[in-house]
Amino acid sequence: NAGVTQTPKFQVLKTGQSMTLQCAQDMNHEYMSWYRQDPGMGLRLIHYSVGAGITDQGEVPNGYNVSRSTTEDFPLRLLSAAPSQTSVYFCASRSGGGWGTDTQYFGPGTRLTVL
Amino acid sequence: GDSVTQMEGPVTLSEEAFLTINCTYTATGYPSLFWYVQYPGEGLQLLLKATKADDKGSNKGFEATYRKETTSFHLEKGSVQVSDSAVYFCALSATRGDMRFGAGTRLTVKP
Repeated sequence: NAGVTQTPKFQVLKTGQSMTLQCAQDMNHEYMSWYRQDPGMGLRLIHYSVGAGITDQGEVPNGYNVSRSTTEDFPLRLLSAAPSQTSVYFCASRSGGGWGTDTQYFGPGTRLTVL
Repeated sequence: GDSVTQMEGPVTLSEEAFLTINCTYTATGYPSLFWYVQYPGEGLQLLLKATKADDKGSNKGFEATYRKETTSFHLEKGSVQVSDSAVYFCALSATRGDMRFGAGTRLTVKP
């Protein structure tokens, strides 16, 4: 299993540009999430999905869109990049069972800089 | 809302020193509690977890006990190594099914 994969690893954008961060998992997990990591703030949830066709907002959803057309893929779209979106983005997945047996797996991250 | 407060860093220790990183939480209901570790340039990896009060999670010499009475989940290790240098995150399973993370504590262990 490759686990959770993310592309690209690094990206530089200009203000106003749009782009899609890719995330895929091969563990047949129902739950997938996008987090952003900023210094001194830990990880904050952007959007999440509990299954194909179902998405919901997290703590900091503004400026981002998601869709979940397949179980495997959960892309994150930046509609019009802003410098405040400079961050490291992590995708994660888990099976959706109870937390007693469930483990959340993280991708390696995408480092995004918006100029 | 559900939240995690974590000891601020950075923490610098000598090899074989005792480590404690404090973590307290606020939550409705009965969350599961986690410690994640992030090595330089990598994603987060689960270090240990506890799913109910008085449970002790342990892994790689690290331990943490779920204390409901003090709403705490402090991370401890008796003898740290240089290879333990990383950022450590405390987290909980939030009421609506996602996770909430603390700000992270950077640990540096010197030989």
